[in-house]
Amino acid sequence: QITLKESGPTLVKPTQTLTLTCTFSGFSLSTSGVGVGWIRQPPGKALEWLALIYWDDDKRYSPSLKSRLTITKDTSKNQVVLTMTNMDPVDTATYYCASRGYDILTGYYRVPYFDYWGQGTLVTVSS
Amino acid sequence: QSVLTQPPSVSGAPGQRVTISCTGSSSNIGAGYDVHWYQQLPGTAPKLLIYGNSNRPSGVPDRFSGSKSGTSASLAITGLQAEDEADYYCQSYDSSLSGHAVFGGGTQLTVL
Repeated sequence: QITLKESGPTLVKPTQTLTLTCTFSGFSLSTSGVGVGWIRQPPGKALEWLALIYWDDDKRYSPSLKSRLTITKDTSKNQVVLTMTNMDPVDTATYYCASRGYDILTGYYRVPYFDYWGQGTLVTVSS
Repeated sequence: QSVLTQPPSVSGAPGQRVTISCTGSSSNIGAGYDVHWYQQLPGTAPKLLIYGNSNRPSGVPDRFSGSKSGTSASLAITGLQAEDEADYYCQSYDSSLSGHAVFGGGTQLTVL
């Protein structure tokens, strides 16, 4: 059974750095092809993909946020950490982590999709 | 604005068929990149609905189907049910953004 859960502060001040942790179970980030991503959703708005890290430590970032994001993994702890610098009120959102989908017949798709999601954590940016 | 355009809202009566479009361009859907679809019920995390343009994960009813043609993709829902009322998002990749994934703007489905 695959589960993911996000944790971190619910409130951060403008200009601060946000650190979120995704703790997962049911798979290993040391297995070939596996990936974990972060997606956020401002209140009442659409989903926005942020970052993705793969088993081989390949990291991908949203071009519009790349300068502010860092994604890392701790395979031994089954955790993925996302940091976002210089937080602004517009960054107020629910932040989700999700696992890269895998099809038993066709394997991994070149365009990753997310098959298991955490419940999300609401982060508010306010002074 | 996303590079993947979805209608903000669609609606249908119970039992009817509705479709949700996801319109892209030659740098994303038109370039052959796969499209995936998610359903987000109110107050919950998104759920994978369709992957690889037309594949349903285990447990997703066959009332949901996906297709892709040219620079667009579509999600069709037949036999509409009240529980289908949710937001729906398409997702793909855009080569001009040098990123790795992109979501559409989302479509709110209302069951009348």
